Amino acid sequence: TQLLEQSPQFLSIQEGENLTVYCNSSSVFSSLQWYRQEPGEGPVLLVTVVTGGEVKKLKRLTFQFGDARKDSSLHITAAQPGDTGLYLCAEREAGAAGNKLTFGGGTRVLVKP
Amino acid sequence: NAGVMQNPRHLVRRRGQEARLRCSPMKGHSHVYWYRQLPEEGLKFMVYLQKENIIDESGMPKERFSAEFPKEGPSILRIQQVVRGDSAAYFCASSPQSGGFSYNEQFFGPGTRLTVL
Repeated sequence: TQLLEQSPQFLSIQEGENLTVYCNSSSVFSSLQWYRQEPGEGPVLLVTVVTGGEVKKLKRLTFQFGDARKDSSLHITAAQPGDTGLYLCAEREAGAAGNKLTFGGGTRVLVKP
Repeated sequence: NAGVMQNPRHLVRRRGQEARLRCSPMKGHSHVYWYRQLPEEGLKFMVYLQKENIIDESGMPKERFSAEFPKEGPSILRIQQVVRGDSAAYFCASSPQSGGFSYNEQFFGPGTRLTVL
């Protein structure tokens, strides 16, 4: 089973600052997903990256997939309190037996007003 | 179109009791996944079911845990003789019917938070 490591584990910043969280693996990802989870709720999918070197933007969020498909980053520009939450990366293990997800441990982000 | 529904949202049990967690997938979805999240950790896959079939239970503890997804009604995750270590948030996700290796997003429910006293 592939291990996904996320860093940092916790990040506290002021509103307006930028932040980057990382997701690394010991082996190549087939595809990688980023989720955000708010307290008391389930994870919500933000983006899926598939191709090495891929960059995707979602408003103030920029997602990068490493060329070798073993690492990914999420960058938030001008963070707002509404960005507070647990950010999770996950690999989708696609196959005949379904699409189960393997999650990293998460990065807890706190954006203070 | 309602999302994935889970109930109860919070469940308190004493050691040795049984816990039953329910998940109603999104309309039209016939694939259900259960995940467990311990405090301050990511989610861990437990089991994947389609209607009336368990497809992959590689993440489920061998004892005390069982899951079903009957032809009619919600999917049930059942934990017998609960212990304190079972305290966690249990999430259900559903995805549309698909075949083979095609991509399908999983939509997560709000979770059931189980506390074992």
